Amino acid sequence: DTGVSQDPRHKITKRGQNVTFRCDPISEHNRLYWYRQTLGQGPEFLTYFQNEAQLEKSRLLSDRFSAERPKGSFSTLEIQRTEQGDSAMYLCASSLGGLTNLISYNEQFFGPGTRLTVL
Amino acid sequence: DQQVKQNSPSLSVQEGRISILNCDYTNSMFDYFLWYKKYPAEGPTFLISISSIKDKNEDGRFTVFLNKSAKHLSLHIVPSQPGDSAVYFCAAVYSGSARQLTFGSGTQLTVLP
Repeated sequence: DTGVSQDPRHKITKRGQNVTFRCDPISEHNRLYWYRQTLGQGPEFLTYFQNEAQLEKSRLLSDRFSAERPKGSFSTLEIQRTEQGDSAMYLCASSLGGLTNLISYNEQFFGPGTRLTVL
Repeated sequence: DQQVKQNSPSLSVQEGRISILNCDYTNSMFDYFLWYKKYPAEGPTFLISISSIKDKNEDGRFTVFLNKSAKHLSLHIVPSQPGDSAVYFCAAVYSGSARQLTFGSGTQLTVLP
Protein backbone atom coordinates (compact mmCIF):
# COMPACT_ATOMS: atom_id res chain seq x y z
CA ASP A 1 0.00 0.00 0.00
CA THR A 2 1.58 3.28 -1.08
CA GLY A 3 -0.91 5.69 0.54
CA VAL A 4 -0.51 7.84 3.63
CA SER A 5 -0.43 5.79 6.82
CA GLN A 6 -0.97 6.86 10.41
CA ASP A 7 -0.27 5.13 13.67
CA PRO A 8 -1.98 4.45 15.98
CA ARG A 9 -5.50 4.48 14.57
CA HIS A 10 -7.00 4.94 18.02
CA LYS A 11 -5.59 6.31 21.25
CA ILE A 12 -7.32 6.57 24.61
CA THR A 13 -5.47 8.46 27.29
CA LYS A 14 -6.07 10.15 30.60
CA ARG A 15 -6.03 13.89 30.97
CA GLY A 16 -2.55 15.17 31.65
CA GLN A 17 -0.73 12.39 29.80
CA ASN A 18 1.47 12.94 26.75
CA VAL A 19 0.66 11.28 23.42
CA THR A 20 2.55 10.98 20.16
CA PHE A 21 1.18 10.16 16.72
CA ARG A 22 3.09 9.14 13.63
CA CYS A 23 2.41 9.83 9.96
CA ASP A 24 4.14 8.21 7.00
CA PRO A 25 3.42 10.20 3.85
CA ILE A 26 3.51 9.02 0.26
CA SER A 27 7.22 8.50 -0.32
CA GLU A 28 7.85 11.07 -3.06
CA HIS A 29 5.74 13.79 -1.44
CA ASN A 30 7.73 16.70 -0.05
CA ARG A 31 4.80 18.44 1.68
CA LEU A 32 3.14 17.15 4.81
CA TYR A 33 0.16 18.61 6.69
CA TRP A 34 -1.53 17.92 10.00
CA TYR A 35 -5.23 18.63 10.48
CA ARG A 36 -7.64 18.13 13.35
CA GLN A 37 -11.28 17.20 12.92
CA THR A 38 -13.94 17.34 15.60
CA LEU A 39 -17.45 15.93 15.37
CA GLY A 40 -19.65 17.68 12.85
CA GLN A 41 -16.85 19.86 11.53
CA GLY A 42 -14.47 19.73 8.63
CA PRO A 43 -10.75 19.20 9.18
CA GLU A 44 -8.88 22.25 10.49
CA PHE A 45 -5.29 23.00 9.55
CA LEU A 46 -2.69 22.62 12.30
CA THR A 47 0.75 22.73 10.69
CA TYR A 48 2.68 22.26 7.45
CA PHE A 49 6.12 20.92 6.53
CA GLN A 50 8.03 21.33 3.32
CA ASN A 51 10.63 18.58 3.49
CA GLU A 52 11.98 18.78 7.06
CA ALA A 53 11.15 22.46 7.60
CA GLN A 54 8.03 23.38 9.55
CA LEU A 55 6.90 26.43 7.60
CA GLU A 56 3.53 27.29 9.06
CA LYS A 57 1.58 26.73 12.24
CA SER A 58 -2.05 27.53 12.93
CA ARG A 59 -3.03 29.51 16.00
CA LEU A 60 -4.92 26.31 16.94
CA LEU A 61 -1.54 24.75 17.65
CA SER A 62 -0.95 25.66 21.29
CA ASP A 63 2.45 25.32 22.90
CA ARG A 64 1.39 21.90 24.19
CA PHE A 65 1.55 20.67 20.59
CA SER A 66 4.79 19.99 18.78
CA ALA A 67 5.41 18.44 15.40
CA GLU A 68 8.57 17.22 13.75
CA ARG A 69 9.58 15.80 10.42
CA PRO A 70 13.16 14.63 10.74
CA LYS A 71 14.90 13.94 7.43
CA GLY A 72 11.80 15.07 5.56
CA SER A 73 10.17 11.66 5.66
CA PHE A 74 7.75 10.59 8.42
CA SER A 75 6.31 13.09 10.88
CA THR A 76 5.30 12.97 14.52
CA LEU A 77 2.75 15.07 16.35
CA GLU A 78 3.08 15.19 20.13
CA ILE A 79 0.52 16.58 22.54
CA GLN A 80 1.75 17.24 26.05
CA ARG A 81 -0.49 17.40 29.13
CA THR A 82 -3.55 16.36 27.16
CA GLU A 83 -6.89 18.00 27.89
CA GLN A 84 -10.40 16.72 27.17
CA GLY A 85 -10.73 19.38 24.48
CA ASP A 86 -7.93 17.67 22.57
CA SER A 87 -10.24 14.74 21.81
CA ALA A 88 -10.54 14.69 18.02
CA MET A 89 -9.48 12.92 14.86
CA TYR A 90 -5.95 13.90 13.87
CA LEU A 91 -5.40 13.67 10.13
CA CYS A 92 -2.18 13.74 8.19
CA ALA A 93 -1.98 14.60 4.50
CA SER A 94 0.83 14.80 1.99
CA SER A 95 1.25 16.38 -1.41
CA LEU A 96 3.80 16.94 -4.11
CA GLY A 97 5.11 20.48 -4.42
CA GLY A 98 5.32 21.95 -7.89
CA LEU A 99 3.27 21.17 -10.96
CA THR A 100 3.28 17.83 -12.67
CA ASN A 101 1.28 16.61 -15.59
CA LEU A 102 -0.44 14.05 -13.42
CA ILE A 103 -1.15 15.57 -10.07
CA SER A 104 -2.37 19.00 -9.16
CA TYR A 105 0.02 20.54 -6.69
CA ASN A 106 -2.91 21.39 -4.48
CA GLU A 107 -4.17 17.85 -4.20
CA GLN A 108 -3.52 16.46 -0.77
CA PHE A 109 -3.79 12.79 0.02
CA PHE A 110 -5.05 11.97 3.49
CA GLY A 111 -4.29 9.15 5.83
CA PRO A 112 -7.00 7.32 7.81
CA GLY A 113 -6.43 9.47 10.89
CA THR A 114 -5.73 8.84 14.56
CA ARG A 115 -8.75 9.14 16.82
CA LEU A 116 -7.74 10.54 20.21
CA THR A 117 -10.00 10.25 23.23
CA VAL A 118 -8.92 12.05 26.40
CA LEU A 119 -10.72 10.84 29.50
CA ASP B 1 -15.03 32.96 11.26
CA GLN B 2 -16.02 30.27 8.81
CA GLN B 3 -14.44 31.07 5.47
CA VAL B 4 -15.96 28.04 3.75
CA LYS B 5 -19.56 27.15 4.48
CA GLN B 6 -21.70 24.17 3.64
CA ASN B 7 -25.13 25.12 4.88
CA SER B 8 -26.82 21.76 4.30
CA PRO B 9 -25.66 19.19 6.84
CA SER B 10 -27.53 16.43 5.01
CA LEU B 11 -29.07 15.57 1.67
CA SER B 12 -31.09 12.53 0.56
CA VAL B 13 -31.48 11.64 -3.10
CA GLN B 14 -33.04 8.76 -4.95
CA GLU B 15 -30.71 6.47 -6.88
CA GLY B 16 -30.34 7.58 -10.50
CA ARG B 17 -31.26 11.18 -9.75
CA ILE B 18 -28.95 14.19 -9.56
CA SER B 19 -27.26 15.15 -6.30
CA ILE B 20 -26.33 18.81 -5.90
CA LEU B 21 -24.09 19.80 -3.03
CA ASN B 22 -23.45 23.47 -2.38
CA CYS B 23 -20.62 25.45 -0.87
CA ASP B 24 -20.06 29.17 -0.24
CA TYR B 25 -16.83 30.95 0.61
CA THR B 26 -16.01 34.40 1.86
CA ASN B 27 -12.28 34.81 1.23
CA SER B 28 -11.68 36.22 -2.25
CA MET B 29 -8.03 35.17 -2.04
CA PHE B 30 -8.98 31.52 -2.52
CA ASP B 31 -7.99 30.46 -6.02
CA TYR B 32 -8.43 26.71 -6.02
CA PHE B 33 -11.32 24.61 -4.81
CA LEU B 34 -11.62 20.90 -4.12
CA TRP B 35 -14.24 18.38 -3.13
CA TYR B 36 -13.36 15.50 -0.86
CA LYS B 37 -15.48 12.48 0.03
CA LYS B 38 -15.22 10.79 3.40
CA TYR B 39 -16.44 7.41 4.53
CA PRO B 40 -16.62 6.55 8.25
CA ALA B 41 -13.28 5.51 9.77
CA GLU B 42 -11.36 6.68 6.69
CA GLY B 43 -9.56 9.86 5.78
CA PRO B 44 -11.00 12.24 3.17
CA THR B 45 -10.50 11.13 -0.42
CA PHE B 46 -9.97 13.65 -3.20
CA LEU B 47 -12.82 13.74 -5.68
CA ILE B 48 -12.56 16.69 -8.06
CA SER B 49 -11.12 20.19 -8.15
CA ILE B 50 -11.41 23.46 -10.02
CA SER B 51 -9.15 26.42 -10.52
CA SER B 52 -10.56 29.90 -10.11
CA ILE B 53 -9.81 30.61 -13.77
CA LYS B 54 -12.46 28.08 -14.79
CA ASP B 55 -16.17 27.91 -14.15
CA LYS B 56 -16.70 24.20 -14.73
CA ASN B 57 -14.78 20.98 -14.43
CA GLU B 58 -16.16 17.57 -15.25
CA ASP B 59 -14.93 14.09 -14.39
CA GLY B 60 -17.26 11.24 -15.25
CA ARG B 61 -20.38 11.49 -13.12
CA PHE B 62 -18.98 14.44 -11.16
CA THR B 63 -19.08 18.08 -12.22
CA VAL B 64 -18.02 21.07 -10.19
CA PHE B 65 -19.30 24.54 -11.01
CA LEU B 66 -17.70 27.74 -9.76
CA ASN B 67 -19.43 31.14 -9.63
CA LYS B 68 -16.72 33.54 -8.54
CA SER B 69 -18.94 36.61 -8.42
CA ALA B 70 -21.28 34.82 -6.01
CA LYS B 71 -18.41 33.06 -4.21
CA HIS B 72 -20.30 29.84 -4.66
CA LEU B 73 -19.46 26.40 -5.92
CA SER B 74 -21.48 23.27 -6.34
CA LEU B 75 -20.86 19.60 -6.96
CA HIS B 76 -23.24 17.71 -9.23
CA ILE B 77 -23.35 13.93 -9.21
CA VAL B 78 -25.29 12.35 -12.07
CA PRO B 79 -26.56 9.70 -11.82
CA SER B 80 -26.33 9.21 -8.08
CA GLN B 81 -25.48 5.72 -6.84
CA PRO B 82 -25.86 4.16 -3.37
CA GLY B 83 -22.05 3.92 -3.15
CA ASP B 84 -21.92 7.71 -3.31
CA SER B 85 -23.39 7.87 0.20
CA ALA B 86 -20.72 9.62 2.27
CA VAL B 87 -19.84 12.97 3.79
CA TYR B 88 -18.72 15.48 1.17
CA PHE B 89 -16.39 18.30 2.12
CA CYS B 90 -15.78 21.41 0.10
CA ALA B 91 -12.28 22.86 0.54
CA ALA B 92 -10.50 25.97 -0.67
CA VAL B 93 -6.86 26.92 -1.09
CA TYR B 94 -4.95 30.15 -1.45
CA SER B 95 -1.95 29.23 -3.56
CA GLY B 96 0.15 32.03 -2.14
CA SER B 97 0.07 30.43 1.30
CA ALA B 98 1.27 27.10 2.60
CA ARG B 99 -1.57 25.76 0.50
CA GLN B 100 -3.38 24.38 3.48
CA LEU B 101 -6.95 23.40 2.83
CA THR B 102 -9.77 25.34 4.46
CA PHE B 103 -12.72 22.99 4.76
CA GLY B 104 -16.45 23.42 5.09
CA SER B 105 -18.31 21.46 7.73
CA GLY B 106 -19.47 18.81 5.30
CA THR B 107 -22.73 17.48 3.86
CA GLN B 108 -23.89 13.93 4.51
CA LEU B 109 -25.23 12.57 1.23
CA THR B 110 -27.51 9.56 1.36
CA VAL B 111 -28.47 7.93 -1.92
CA LEU B 112 -31.55 5.79 -1.48
CA PRO B 113 -31.90 2.62 -3.59
